Amino acid sequence: GENVEQHPSTLSVQEGDSAVIKCTYSDSASNYFPWYKQELGKRPQLIIDIRSNVGEKKDQRIAVTLNKTAKHFSLHITETQPEDSAVYFCAASKHSSASKIIFGSGTRLSIRP
Amino acid sequence: DAMVIQNPRYQVTQFGKPVTLSCSQTLNHNVMYWYQQKSSQAPKLLFHYYDKDFNNEADTPDNFQSRRPNTSFCFLDIRSPGLGDAAMYLCATSRGPGGSEQYFGPGTRLTVT
Repeated sequence: GENVEQHPSTLSVQEGDSAVIKCTYSDSASNYFPWYKQELGKRPQLIIDIRSNVGEKKDQRIAVTLNKTAKHFSLHITETQPEDSAVYFCAASKHSSASKIIFGSGTRLSIRP
Repeated sequence: DAMVIQNPRYQVTQFGKPVTLSCSQTLNHNVMYWYQQKSSQAPKLLFHYYDKDFNNEADTPDNFQSRRPNTSFCFLDIRSPGLGDAAMYLCATSRGPGGSEQYFGPGTRLTVT
């Protein structure tokens, strides 16, 4: 079955700097890669996703890149702000009736003022 | 506007006393999921419904069961809660299985005394 590995487990960056979180997946048939942000005590919320037919997607300060050959994808946050502090989960899935989303283990991002 | 609603938000039960958590959705999504999340860990899928089709994860204990009486509602029954079942329980929905954004409810935090 699919396995998603996520690194690092914790990340601390200075406010205004960039943060990068990396994930690898094992199932080459996976074609949907969402990123969820979970603030303390709150629900996970989708912040960006990418499908396997594109290599990069950007939404304001957040971007995701996908390398299908290497089976890895990354989240990039630029100009980090205090409200970016949260746990971030990458995930992978494929479009099939029996499919489910496989989550990475999460990255706790802290923004230092 | 609440789209995925979970009740109660906090539930305290006694060791071995059955408890039911509820989830409802206004999105008319076909798929409903139940996850267990322990502190700082990724959500762990317990089971999901694709319409009326029930899909149990292989490692979900028999102690956990679910019901989906209609499109809008889904219930998680814990027959005999143990101390290890204390966790946040998240309900989520998606339009289709795999390859679709999941919308999470706010969660029910279960305490077992």
